Amino acid sequence: GQNIDQPTEMTATEGAIVQINCTYQTSGFNGLFWYQQHAGEAPTFLSYNVLDGLEEKGRFSSFLSRSKGYSYLLLKELQMKDSASYLCVPLDSNYQLIWGAGTKLIIKP
Amino acid sequence: TAGITQAPTSQILAAGRSMTLRCTQDMRHNAMYWYRQDLGLGLRLIHYSNTAGTTGKGEVPDGYSVSRANTDDFPLTLASAVPSQTSVYFCASSDNRGQADTQYFGPGTRLTVL
Repeated sequence: GQNIDQPTEMTATEGAIVQINCTYQTSGFNGLFWYQQHAGEAPTFLSYNVLDGLEEKGRFSSFLSRSKGYSYLLLKELQMKDSASYLCVPLDSNYQLIWGAGTKLIIKP
Repeated sequence: TAGITQAPTSQILAAGRSMTLRCTQDMRHNAMYWYRQDLGLGLRLIHYSNTAGTTGKGEVPDGYSVSRANTDDFPLTLASAVPSQTSVYFCASSDNRGQADTQYFGPGTRLTVL
């Protein structure tokens, strides 16, 4: 079966750094997306990784290890507006997105 | 550009009634999708369309139908609503399906079936 494992909820402090881990099992693999979803809103694209390594984009970075079935999203200099759910979304061999429930990140002042 | 728009924003519907959720995109994307999102669960694909004139079934298609008469519009119809269809519905689009193209989402329609 296809499976995604992320922590249900995490709490971090404004100005700090947080790493959201994701492990996945899919039938084939064609890359992995990270989406951000604020409460009551639509998911918005953050990053896409298809090769191993770290992709940096401003305060957000995403890492992929295909051999380990592992990815993480790193958020630096946390701001209150970063309070949201973060969705780790791999693509299987048919390029179908596999959606999990995501990680709810709570930022405290 | 507006990107993707959905209407209505929210709706309360009596069980047994029919309803069409509207979705329009102005990005000239070939592929469009309908998802539902229930509390504590990931997005589930209802139907998709690779290009105008074609549609396909997703993970949870029962009770829903779609059409794709042109590139921009992808309406979702509930023929006879049931309470289990209470959910938030998101429409999305991407350049193509079957590739690693980013999906862009509309703001969603919150539907309550009583």
